[in-house]
Amino acid sequence: NAGVMQNPRHLVRRRGQEARLRCSPMKGHSHVYWYRQLPEEGLKFMVYLQKENIIDESGMPKERFSAEFPKEGPSILRIQQVVRGDSAAYFCASSPRGGNSPLHFGNGTRLTVT
Amino acid sequence: TQLLEQSPQFLSIQEGENLTVYCNSSSVFSSLQWYRQEPGEGPVLLVTVVTGGEVKKLKRLTFQFGDARKDSSLHITAAQTGDTGLYLCAGDSDNFNKFYFGSGTKLNVKP
Repeated sequence: NAGVMQNPRHLVRRRGQEARLRCSPMKGHSHVYWYRQLPEEGLKFMVYLQKENIIDESGMPKERFSAEFPKEGPSILRIQQVVRGDSAAYFCASSPRGGNSPLHFGNGTRLTVT
Repeated sequence: TQLLEQSPQFLSIQEGENLTVYCNSSSVFSSLQWYRQEPGEGPVLLVTVVTGGEVKKLKRLTFQFGDARKDSSLHITAAQTGDTGLYLCAGDSDNFNKFYFGSGTKLNVKP
């Protein structure tokens, strides 16, 4: 029973490049959330998606960041023209029903911008 | 934005000691969750509390949801080195589209 799978685990990008983070939710889960975590801090909500729909993107920066969850395939968080301040751990979580049902987290992608 | 404040930020204790960590807010939540996160991994759910005044026990861990559903506590009895980690509380948003996380309590249990 595979959990939430994120890849890559570690990603190094130079300033100005694009970062693409992937998340495959748990089997049977159609609700996906992306969170960002800086060292020694809690998680900050970025975006909530269901299949083919963005439900809530109130935590996403207005520029350079985008997310999708296509009908087939993983959810993708894309960061264009990365800057050093984008360096963080990005966690994906899924749930079966949305609402206040518990979140199942992946082990994150650690993005380092040099 | 509904803010959750956790205290203490850091806690270092000896194995066998008891401890309590707190999660406080000025906002009311319909539910609150506690997670534990180990270095290099994602948070793992420990418990969900939904009723004001509710107390839930998970082996040596006791979770309480405040009567007004604005705060919660986690008490660990006879801490073990395996309890070391970052403890995060999370409350759901008004529209249930997201969870707001506190900044966590980093617990270190020394042998």
